[in-house]
Amino acid sequence: DTEVTQTPKHLVMGMTNKKSLKCEQHMGHRAMYWYKQKAKKPPELMFVYSYEKLSINESVPSRFSPECPNSSLLNLHLHALQPEDSALYLCASSQDEVQETQYFGPGTRLLVL
Amino acid sequence: GESVGLHLPTLSVQEGDNSIINCAYSNSASDYFIWYKQESGKGPQFIIDIRSNMDKRQGQRVTVLLNKTVKHLSLQIAATQPGDSAVYFCAKGGSQGNLIFGKGTKLSVKP
Repeated sequence: DTEVTQTPKHLVMGMTNKKSLKCEQHMGHRAMYWYKQKAKKPPELMFVYSYEKLSINESVPSRFSPECPNSSLLNLHLHALQPEDSALYLCASSQDEVQETQYFGPGTRLLVL
Repeated sequence: GESVGLHLPTLSVQEGDNSIINCAYSNSASDYFIWYKQESGKGPQFIIDIRSNMDKRQGQRVTVLLNKTVKHLSLQIAATQPGDSAVYFCAKGGSQGNLIFGKGTKLSVKP
């Protein structure tokens, strides 16, 4: 089973809202990732969690706040987003962080109004 | 710095023909290279990977070739089918364990 699940599938939010994206995997993977993907572009890395600790933050604005409650779950808390933050947000996981295959979820399509 | 480039942003092939999608990369420090397929509205789907100690790896209808001399990576799809229509991304392992993606090639299969 190489499934990564993400909820919700779609999200529309205003600039003053607070919302959260959720990601779950049951493959026993110890590294989890958040990517942002704009239309017709490759995924851009935002955050990496390794063994439930934040190991990479790619200079992401503080209006995005990641959280890893346990080894199977990864959240992305959103607050005071801007319209330019509208994108597909992808979660991925891998066995560990060292050059291993990353398996992606289906993504959450986010629209900020 | 590290980067992964792309030869062609779009590729159109006839159903049943073979497809070849190319990538070039800089900085040979990476040990790991991978291809993903992304269909419209979906997340990237793993196709095949290869490590730097290999030149070629085959899967079901797909072959990845790695030429370390010229820093070139290619994906070959045999007998291309309409279901192969998607955007294909090459990626390489970065120094921090992240993946560095190429820009993607949109493959269109004509019936």
